[in-house]
Amino acid sequence: DTAVSQTPKYLVTQMGNDKSIKCEQNLGHDTMYWYKQDSKKFLKIMFSYNNKELIINETVPNRFSPKSPDKAHLNLHINSLELGDSAVYFCASRPTSGGNTGELFFGEGSRLTVL
Amino acid sequence: AQSVTQLDSHVSVSEGTPVLLRCNYSSSYSPSLFWYVQHPNKGLQLLLKYTSAATLVKGINGFEAEFKKSETSFHLTKPSAHMSDAAEYFCVVSTSYGKLTFGQGTILTVHP
Repeated sequence: DTAVSQTPKYLVTQMGNDKSIKCEQNLGHDTMYWYKQDSKKFLKIMFSYNNKELIINETVPNRFSPKSPDKAHLNLHINSLELGDSAVYFCASRPTSGGNTGELFFGEGSRLTVL
Repeated sequence: AQSVTQLDSHVSVSEGTPVLLRCNYSSSYSPSLFWYVQHPNKGLQLLLKYTSAATLVKGINGFEAEFKKSETSFHLTKPSAHMSDAAEYFCVVSTSYGKLTFGQGTILTVHP
C-alpha cells in the first residue's frame, strides 16, 4: 500500500500548456505539502494545507494553484507552463499532532519537463 | 530565520569504512532536526530525528547523528558503509509551526 501517491510520475509538455499533478495520502494525516526539487536537487516548500486550509504559501508564481478537496488530497495545478517550471514536484504529508517534531512522509515525486 | 548548511556536496567512501556527512544549522528556536535519504528516482525517507530529547540519535540502517548545540551541528555518521547506502542525504531543520528547511544535499558514493 502506497502511503503518499502522486500522479503522474512523469509529465512532458509544451510551454504555455496547463497541467495538474494529483496527490493522495492514506495515512490519515491532517497536513499536506508540495515541495519543488530543482535540477540542483534543492528542495523548497511551495504550499502547505491543514485540513483543507492553506497555511503556508511561499513566494510562488500565481500560475501555481493548489487545491485540496479533502484532507487526503492535495492537487497542484499549473497554468501557462514555463521552461523554469521543469523540476521534480514532491507531495508530502504529516500528522498535525506531531507539531514541529513530526516526520514528513513523501511521495515518489512527479518529474515535470517543459519543452 | 532558520537555515541549514551541508558542508560537503559529495562524499565518497569505500565499503566497510566510516561515513561522516556534515550539517550545520541556524535557528531562532530550539530546533527539531532531521536527516532524510533519497535514493535515485525515489521520494525522501526519514533516517532519524532530533526533538530535544537525547542528543545522540539512532536511526535506521545503522545511522546515527549527534546534536551539538555549542557547535550548531547535527552530523550524520555510520561506522561501516554498505553499497546500499549510496544515495543523497538531506539535513533538515523545522520551525515551531512545522515548516521544514532543507539543506542542499550530500551525495554519498560507496566504492566496492
